[in-house]
Amino acid sequence: EPEVTQTPSHQVTQMGQEVILRCVPISNHLYFYWYRQILGQKVEFLVSFYNNEISEKSEIFDDQFSVERPDGSNFTLKIRSTKLEDSAMYFCASRRLAGVETQYFGPGTRLLVL
Amino acid sequence: AQSVTQPDIHITVSEGASLELRCNYSYGATPYLFWYVQSPGQGLQLLLKYFSGDTLVQGIKGFEAEFKRSQSSFNLRKPSVHWSDAAEYFCAVGGSSASKIIFGSGTRLSIRP
Repeated sequence: EPEVTQTPSHQVTQMGQEVILRCVPISNHLYFYWYRQILGQKVEFLVSFYNNEISEKSEIFDDQFSVERPDGSNFTLKIRSTKLEDSAMYFCASRRLAGVETQYFGPGTRLLVL
Repeated sequence: AQSVTQPDIHITVSEGASLELRCNYSYGATPYLFWYVQSPGQGLQLLLKYFSGDTLVQGIKGFEAEFKRSQSSFNLRKPSVHWSDAAEYFCAVGGSSASKIIFGSGTRLSIRP
């Protein structure tokens, strides 16, 4: 069964450094998402992406964040200058179509900012 | 406002006992409802979903959920829990467009041997 994959599974970085989190959505999916989950809290929406542009973003997704689909398979989340409060599990998700299609989540990248 | 409420933060049940996890939602349009399960340090696995039709939906691992529009609820049930069901359970709501999913704060399920 096709899966969403994410790399790395864990990343430790110093405050102020840039990080890029990578996702490979399911191959025939057209809609892509990033969510995050701060330890012990709920999963929160960050951004959705379709047709090579952001379709919706939350107030969390400020200028420090960017997303890109650099080729036909990868979907990346960049944090330009990490802060301590960016420490969280970041989930990528994809959906084939709009409508009744389910979002499928990847296993997550646990980011720790020191 | 769109939101999901899971009123139980932590529930402990005995192995073999029945389980019901509560979920209430607020959503302006036709809601699409989901239950996800997350084992410690793991990702989110879809247990079941409701889009339309029969209000009692069956999912994986023996779980089911019932959509009650009048109560804005989508409670998750299992007739007999197993120790491997210990995990965090998230109820979530989405819409018909390519919109985001809104998650509840989760219910942690512990199983008493």
